[in-house]
Amino acid sequence: QVQLQESGPGLVKSSETLSLTCIVSGVSIHSTSYYWGWIRQPPEKGLEWIGSIYYNGNTYYNPSLKSRVTISEDTSKNQFSLKLTSVTAADTAVYYCARPMGEGIVMPFDSWGQGALVTVSS
Amino acid sequence: EIVMTQSPATLSVSPGESATLSCRASRTVSSNLAWYHQTPGQTPRLLIYSASTRATGIPARFSGSGSGTDFTLTISSLQSEDFGVYYCQQYNNWPPGYSFGQGTKVQIK
Repeated sequence: QVQLQESGPGLVKSSETLSLTCIVSGVSIHSTSYYWGWIRQPPEKGLEWIGSIYYNGNTYYNPSLKSRVTISEDTSKNQFSLKLTSVTAADTAVYYCARPMGEGIVMPFDSWGQGALVTVSS
Repeated sequence: EIVMTQSPATLSVSPGESATLSCRASRTVSSNLAWYHQTPGQTPRLLIYSASTRATGIPARFSGSGSGTDFTLTISSLQSEDFGVYYCQQYNNWPPGYSFGQGTKVQIK
């Protein structure tokens, strides 16, 4: 059974870069064809898809965040990462990594990490 | 980008009663529509995909319907664990990608 765990600093200064890693266990991200994703949720607000990475390295980003987001995979480890540049207070949120329910096709997320709260400070 | 709009924003329901939640897409998403449930401090849980198929382990009191732009989630005989926020999500418009509705909060009446 797949497990996902977000890892990274819980506090980032305004204008700097937010960096998070999703550590995956139970399945190889390089030998299975999933669209691994990042989703965030500001305090007391709804869910926002940030972007996804396919097992072959292709990336897909939310148009509203595309200019600031990079998602990459670590070919030596079973993990993928999120970088969000030039952060502001509006980027304060719980950040989730997640896996959709099917391989090779775009499907909803049925496996989620527990989430990592990232606070942007001034 | 497809915009998903959920209504109502808040729904007050007594335990044992049913609840009907709506989700509308700004343009067609075919049947590529999912519903999630989230309680405070917890991760979202997938309930329904392909507009009407229950995810693994989801009780039969949850049912989804609709296609195109208009979708409904019905919860019959609400249990205490069913309260929380429900989100719809489209996955038809790829790329660019997924979009979520703003959520409907189901609270105890």
